[in-house]
Amino acid sequence: EVQLVETGGGLVQPGKSLKLTCATSGFTFSNAWMHWVRQSPEKQLEWVAQIKAKSNNYATYYAESVKGRFTISRDDSKSSVYLQMNSLKEEDTAIYYCSSGGGFAYWGQGTLVTVSS
Amino acid sequence: DVVMTQTPPSLSVAIGQSVSISCKSSQSLVYSDGKTYLHWLLQSSGRSPKRLIYQVSNLDSGVPDRFSGTGSQKDFTLKISRVEAKDLGVYYCAQTTHFPRTFGGGTKLELK
Repeated sequence: EVQLVETGGGLVQPGKSLKLTCATSGFTFSNAWMHWVRQSPEKQLEWVAQIKAKSNNYATYYAESVKGRFTISRDDSKSSVYLQMNSLKEEDTAIYYCSSGGGFAYWGQGTLVTVSS
Repeated sequence: DVVMTQTPPSLSVAIGQSVSISCKSSQSLVYSDGKTYLHWLLQSSGRSPKRLIYQVSNLDSGVPDRFSGTGSQKDFTLKISRVEAKDLGVYYCAQTTHFPRTFGGGTKLELK
């Protein structure tokens, strides 16, 4: 059974940092392209970042809204993907989901990030 | 960015009815490999999204054949035949042909 479990969310002040982790099981993680997607309080889904597999040189891609502030990475030995979020803004407040596969095949349960003073 | 426009934003349906949801993209979703990376997701109340259909018309494992996807280039449709209560929620189309990946605004399917 495919499982994706996000952790690391919480309440953080503007300008601070947070690191999210997505631990996976049930599929060959090392071959999988992985995404982070967020859902705002208004329920709109927004793609945040993607990391490809080793065979694609771990290429990374970002939404303009987070480029330069967020970093996606992965550890194939731990079947995990990460999202380092720096210089957080109030508009980054959302539920953050990780998703596997090029076409959003599987999703985790999400972790809530609230940026507020 | 590729804008994904879904209509209608909401649908009221009786159990057993059939419904269609439209998704139009601002650019063609045909990739250089000839494939079209348009997918449909369902988010039931309080749950995370779940993919139902990938690459326009391919049903994910376990998805009943009451669901079907059609379309090409920039114009796509999700059809649900004989709606059941477990089909209620918000449907999203999503494209992974272009960067940034983008989602439609969602269509909320609710009971009449």
